[in-house]
This record gives sequence, C-alpha cells and structure tokens, in this order.
Amino acid sequence: DVVMTQSPLSLPVTPGQPASISCRSSQSLVYSDGNTYLNWFQQRPGQSPRRLIYKVSNRDSGVPDRFSGSGSGTDFTLKISRVEAEDVGVYYCMQGTHWPRTFGQGTKVEIK
Amino acid sequence: QVQLVESGGGLVKPGGSLRLSCAASGFTFSDFYMSWIRQAPGKGLEWLSYISSSTTYINYADSVKGRFTISRDNAKNSLYLQMNSLRAEDTAVYYCARDEPSSGYFAAPGVYWGQGTLVTVSS
Repeated sequence: DVVMTQSPLSLPVTPGQPASISCRSSQSLVYSDGNTYLNWFQQRPGQSPRRLIYKVSNRDSGVPDRFSGSGSGTDFTLKISRVEAEDVGVYYCMQGTHWPRTFGQGTKVEIK
Repeated sequence: QVQLVESGGGLVKPGGSLRLSCAASGFTFSDFYMSWIRQAPGKGLEWLSYISSSTTYINYADSVKGRFTISRDNAKNSLYLQMNSLRAEDTAVYYCARDEPSSGYFAAPGVYWGQGTLVTVSS
C-alpha cells in the first residue's frame, strides 16, 4: 500500500498567520493519464470530512482562496495563507492513484 | 442538494454481523461510483471499499476483504455494506461518500460524504 506521511501532526497557529502542512507519499502519485491524484480534506470538530483540494492544486467550489495546494511526484503541501478560527480541525491528504486509496494520519490545526 | 444519509449502525458482539445503508438523494445515483470509509474513535480515515455505478467493479481494503461486502440498488438510490465476522477493531464511524473522477482514476471519495453511522463491536 502507498503510505501517506503528513507533518506536522499538530499545528498551533496564531489567527492571521500562515500555516503549512506537508504530505509525502511512498510512491509517485503520477498516473499514466498524466494526472496526479492528490486530494486534501478538512474535518472540522464533530463533522464529516470535506474535500478542499483535488489533483494537487484545484480548489473545490466554495473553498476560500486562502487555501492552496502545491507539489508533485511524492511531495505535496497544503497552505493556509491567513488562518481563521473556522479553519480549526484535522486535515488529511488522500491519494487516488493507487489501490487501495490511502490517507495521511491527519494534521490537527488549532488556534494558539 | 446532494445528501447521503447512513443508517444501520449500533452495538454488536464480536463475530456478529451488521448491514449498513446509505440513502442518496439530490443527484443521479446510478451515474456515480460510491465508497465506504471508516474512522475509529479518535483516529484517522481508512478507505474500505468502492463499487462502480453498474456494480461491474468492486474493490476492498485488505483489512475487510472476505468479511465485508459492498452492494448497491440503483432503483432505490441506496448503497450497502454487509459486515460479517465483526471484530473489536472494526469499531468506528462508517461514512459513505460519492466518488469523483477528479479524486482518483476510476474514482475516489470526493466532495460529498454522509454524516456517518457508529458501529461498536463489544461483548
């Protein structure tokens, strides 16, 4: 199975400051169709996961533009340009290139 | 609007069985692949299984292969997960999700997830 490794696992952030989460995969996530199927999900406390980003850097509808994704191959990053209180929760990367689909361990973002 | 509503969770003894359901609305259910994902208490997300729109393709995680069976009834807009030989480590919230081609080749969990149903395996 492809192992997705996130860091850090805990991220205290001051509101208005940036935050960055790393996600590394044990194998390349580039599929033969040329796409890289790396997704980011947000899970707010007590809620279901919500997809924020697909194919590395594409924001889903309604996702604030302070969220951005980047990376290639095996190394990916989710950035929040200015953290707001509503961004508190756990963030997961998930690969959709290999079977089985696998998630990172999650990064808990909390407000300082 | 798209809605996914899971049901069927509860308390079951080790070795027992349970059938989860996911009722879909707000979209053409028969057009989409669907997945089950679970989350053990205080833990991360684990993808379990997917089923293609016409049931041609099905896949399982090794952790549930041979014990869990995914199925769907497009006429009833419903997805199911039959869980047999349950173990304590199967205790989790179980989510159904609509798969999207944008999430993965063939498809993978995308934008829409249900609220989850809790399965507790304990004697």
